[in-house]
Amino acid sequence: DAEITQSPRHKITETGRQVTLACHQTWNHNNMFWYRQDLGHGLRLIHYSYGVQDTNKGEVSDGYSVSRSNTEDLPLTLESAASSQTSVYFCASSEVASDTQYFGPGTRLTVL
Amino acid sequence: AQTVTQSQPEMSVQEAETVTLSCTYDTSESNYYLFWYKQPPSRQMILVIRQEAYKQQNATENRFSVNFQKAAKSFSLKISDSQLGDTAMYFCAFVSGNTPLVFGKGTRLSVIA
Repeated sequence: DAEITQSPRHKITETGRQVTLACHQTWNHNNMFWYRQDLGHGLRLIHYSYGVQDTNKGEVSDGYSVSRSNTEDLPLTLESAASSQTSVYFCASSEVASDTQYFGPGTRLTVL
Repeated sequence: AQTVTQSQPEMSVQEAETVTLSCTYDTSESNYYLFWYKQPPSRQMILVIRQEAYKQQNATENRFSVNFQKAAKSFSLKISDSQLGDTAMYFCAFVSGNTPLVFGKGTRLSVIA
């Protein structure tokens, strides 16, 4: 069955370190998205991609970057982790922008 | 910009009863899609129901149904015969054209035995 996976599921890191969160989908979807979820804010969009070599900034993109070198993967990089980036991160994919998004299981990141 | 508002941060319902979660949205678009997602304590985001704005008929999935009022820009979710497994955060979401999904801040629903 097609799926979307995230790794690691949990990570603890220190302020200033570079961190990369992986997202891999086997749906062959063109669209992929990264969100962060914080109490009281719901899900906020960080970056998204509508295809290979395409990336776009979302609502809360400062301090994050993504690259899309193939259809299946959209890794999220925190260039210099900050305590404000402690959050739960979700990756999602969809066939077209207006279609249902399928979510990964999430990564809980703690920055100390 | 499109916005989605869920005015009920928390709700509770007795098992087997019916509960309605509210959602309003703001858009100038005429064609769009609306969703309700469920997030149980496992944290997994699960699609509950999807509604296309051009369809007048309200979407239904088993015990879950929506009341879509396009003119009022309202999209409420009704859960009938509530079960303990319905305890979760519920998010309303909107998408139009080629723009990404916009989420409300969620409603935490507790089903009480």
